Amino acid sequence: ETGVTQTPRHLVMGMTNKKSLKCEQHLGHNAMYWYKQSAKKPLELMFVYSLEERVENNSVPSRFSPECPNSSHLFLHLHTLQPEDSALYLCASSQAPLYEQYFGPGTRLTVT
Amino acid sequence: GENVEQHPSTLSVQEGDSAVIKCTYSDSASNYFPWYKQELGKGPQLIIDIRSNVGEKKDQRIAVTLNKTAKHFSLHITETQPEDSAVYFCAASLGEHSGGGADGLTFGKGTHLIIQP
Repeated sequence: ETGVTQTPRHLVMGMTNKKSLKCEQHLGHNAMYWYKQSAKKPLELMFVYSLEERVENNSVPSRFSPECPNSSHLFLHLHTLQPEDSALYLCASSQAPLYEQYFGPGTRLTVT
Repeated sequence: GENVEQHPSTLSVQEGDSAVIKCTYSDSASNYFPWYKQELGKGPQLIIDIRSNVGEKKDQRIAVTLNKTAKHFSLHITETQPEDSAVYFCAASLGEHSGGGADGLTFGKGTHLIIQP
């Protein structure tokens, strides 16, 4: 449960705000991921970082900007979001080349 | 890209009975198939996984089977208990076929498993 932490757990923001989501992994992993979980839709991969380099950007709008300053921390910077961006944002980590991904508890984002 | 279909969307079983959730995938290059359990207010928890060189894997009351030819895999839970009630997700990835050593997962839509007392 404490291997991957995310803050804040809940966030309400207006469409003109700028905010950041933070993820920290305590597992010694070298790859980190952002996923979006919306109601009635599958979890959607947003970004993949391996060894602190972005290796995948899954056609995500530019209003979402990821940052991976080191192998333990991952951020998702948010600006001028839309109401349809309201969702649970999940962070995960893994130890490449192993495949198992471990998830944090998520940040519940509401855009008003 | 990969597409994962999961059925059923809701499954209700009596406590003590078995539950089976099925998934199909489209990309024959996928070779890693995990299953996650998500309880209310929590992130998905990895419960079991299987790689393409194995047809079946068991861990106590849960098992996963994989048919590479038909491109489908299933989760089996035996002797279900109330604490098994949750949403279960299947997923697929390229695993060792990914270039960077890290590959995102493509998820199914989830199955809400309800264990009736």
